[in-house]
Amino acid sequence: DADVTQTPRNRITKTGKRIMLECSQTKGHDRMYWYRQDPGLGLRLIYYSFDVKDINKGEISDGYSVSRQAQAKFSLSLESAIPNQTALYFCATSDRRLAGVGYNEQFFGPGTRLTVL
Amino acid sequence: AQSVTQLDSHVSVSEGTPVLLRCNYSSSYSPSLFWYVQHPNKGLQLLLKYTSAATLVKGINGFEAEFKKSETSFHLTKPSAHMSDAAEYFCATGGTSYDKVIFGPGTSLSVIP
Repeated sequence: DADVTQTPRNRITKTGKRIMLECSQTKGHDRMYWYRQDPGLGLRLIYYSFDVKDINKGEISDGYSVSRQAQAKFSLSLESAIPNQTALYFCATSDRRLAGVGYNEQFFGPGTRLTVL
Repeated sequence: AQSVTQLDSHVSVSEGTPVLLRCNYSSSYSPSLFWYVQHPNKGLQLLLKYTSAATLVKGINGFEAEFKKSETSFHLTKPSAHMSDAAEYFCATGGTSYDKVIFGPGTSLSVIP
C-alpha cells in the first residue's frame, strides 16, 4: 500500500539537543506538510512544501527548520530543542493533481511523539 | 480569514445511540470542508469531505455530514454509535488555491457500553 511513514515514532531528548524527524511517502504526491498537535489546539502547520524546490513557513515555524531531500522525503529539524516543543508531530501529503479550488485532501503519517526534558 | 470552530471539546454517548459532533466554519467564499478521525496512537484518517457537490455527504463507517450555508455549519452525525467510534474528531476547512488547511481543535468522542 502506498503510505506515509515517520521515524522515529517516539523520541525523548534533552533541552538544547538537535533533533531530526523524518517523513517518507510512497504515494507519489508532490506536496508535503509538517504539523504539530497539542491537546485542545488541534493541528498547527509548521512548514509545507509544494515541490522539492518550494518550502514555505506555516503558522508556527519559529524554532524549526525543514529539508525536502527528494519528492518522497521531507524532514523536520529542531536545532535546539526546548520543553515547549514537546508535542505530537504529523507529516502529511497531498496531490496537486487532486487539488481543485480549495479541495486538498491530506494523507497523514502515524505521528512522532516527541518529549523534550 | 478562514476558521473552524468545534463547539464541544468532549462528547459522551451510549453505544447504540446517535452521535452529533458540531462544527462551524468561517469563510469568505464557498469552502471545502472535511472531517478527519484520529484513533489512539494513529494518524488522521479522512471520514468525509464536502466540495460543493451534494450538501449531504456520506462517509466511511456510517458517518455523514450536512453542509448548511445559512448556518455556516458542517455537523457530523451517525445514527448509532459503536464502541469502535471512540476517537478524536477534527473538522477542517480547505484553504486557498495554495492548499493550506485549517483544523479545528478537535472533539473527543467517548462511547459508553
